[in-house]
Amino acid sequence: DVKVTQSSRYLVKRTGEKVFLECVQDMDHENMFWYRQDPGLGLRLIYFSYDVKMKEKGDIPEGYSVSREKKERFSLILESASTNQTSMYLCASSFRSPNTEAFFGQGTRLTVV
Amino acid sequence: LAKTTQPISMDSYEGQEVNITCSHNNIATNDYITWYQQFPSQGPRFIIQGYKTKVTNEVASLFIPADRKSSTLSLPRVSLSDTAVYYCLVGDRTNTGFQKLVFGTGTRLLVSP
Repeated sequence: DVKVTQSSRYLVKRTGEKVFLECVQDMDHENMFWYRQDPGLGLRLIYFSYDVKMKEKGDIPEGYSVSREKKERFSLILESASTNQTSMYLCASSFRSPNTEAFFGQGTRLTVV
Repeated sequence: LAKTTQPISMDSYEGQEVNITCSHNNIATNDYITWYQQFPSQGPRFIIQGYKTKVTNEVASLFIPADRKSSTLSLPRVSLSDTAVYYCLVGDRTNTGFQKLVFGTGTRLLVSP
């Protein structure tokens, strides 16, 4: 079974802290994605990566950065956490071929206080 | 401009057939149509994908008319456990040609006894 693992299920951080959300997949997928999900807004794409060290901005990249040093790992970084970044964060991965199935992690619920 | 449009919510009763329609007027020639299901506190999971006519699997059927400007996800004889949010996706590409996954707000299906 494909596994996408997010490092934390729940996280509480203080305003101004640097926050790292980690995601690891075990299927040798080229693509990896980070989304945030807020009530009434669906899933919004923050960043995605189609290869090691390669990244593309999604629809809401402001306040976030990413790192992909190894194929299996994709990190989302909040340089200086703010309360409006309180959200559910979801990581996904897929093969690069178009129209292939994406697999999601269980999500990290981040609260910034 | 939204790539897909779905109803915000639908209600049904156990044992009924549920049809959720998605509009995608600007679908590209080589785009597939993909549906995902999301339960509360979980990441989305792939349900079904199609290009044209009809696709059926053990979970659902997908009907796509000849003009491909819409599609209908059909869930036969729903049960309480089908209560979830359903997302319709079509291809979305970056300026560099890589396919990214863009979710809308989805359709919230509530199945009652």
